[in-house]
Amino acid sequence: EPEVTQTPSHQVTQMGQEVILRCVPISNHLYFYWYRQILGQKVEFLVSFYNNEISEKSEIFDDQFSVERPDGSNFTLKIRSTKLEDSAMYFCASSTDTQYFGPGTRLTVL
Amino acid sequence: GQQLNQSPQSMFIQEGEDVSMNCTSSSIFNTWLWYKQDPGEGPVLLIALYKAGELTSNGRLTAQFGITRKDSFLNISASIPSDVGIYFCAGHYNPGGGADGLTFGKGTHLIIQP
Repeated sequence: EPEVTQTPSHQVTQMGQEVILRCVPISNHLYFYWYRQILGQKVEFLVSFYNNEISEKSEIFDDQFSVERPDGSNFTLKIRSTKLEDSAMYFCASSTDTQYFGPGTRLTVL
Repeated sequence: GQQLNQSPQSMFIQEGEDVSMNCTSSSIFNTWLWYKQDPGEGPVLLIALYKAGELTSNGRLTAQFGITRKDSFLNISASIPSDVGIYFCAGHYNPGGGADGLTFGKGTHLIIQP
């Protein structure tokens, strides 16, 4: 059964550094998403992407964040200058109608 | 923005018992979804609901899309140890289709006591 994959599973970085989180959505899906989940809290929407452009973004998705689909299979989330409060699980999802989630990347900012 | 209230926050039950949890929204949704999340993993889709009044089952799980479009419930019958985890409701209102983000509830933590 096709699934969303994410790499790395765990990323540790120093505050102020740039990180890129990578996702491979399900191959026939057209819509792509990033969510985050701070430890012990609910899942929060960051951004959605369709037809090579951002479709919707939340107030969390500020200028420090960017997304890209650099080729036909990958979908990336870049955080330009990480802050301590960016530490969270980051989930990628993809859909045609129903959203399916990847296993997540645990980002730890020191 | 849309707010989801999910209850209960946690449940301590005996194996074999039935479980019921629900979500209410401050505004109408046209899609309700129920996910299960195990520690350190991503949400796994359990049931998707697309129509007011819809009642859908997936094995021992049953979920309904409320007629008011502002609520949904999930029932689990005859719970087993592998049902342990956090259950999230999620939904969105997007009549035109497309890439709208989901609003999630805060989750119901299900704990099964031996």
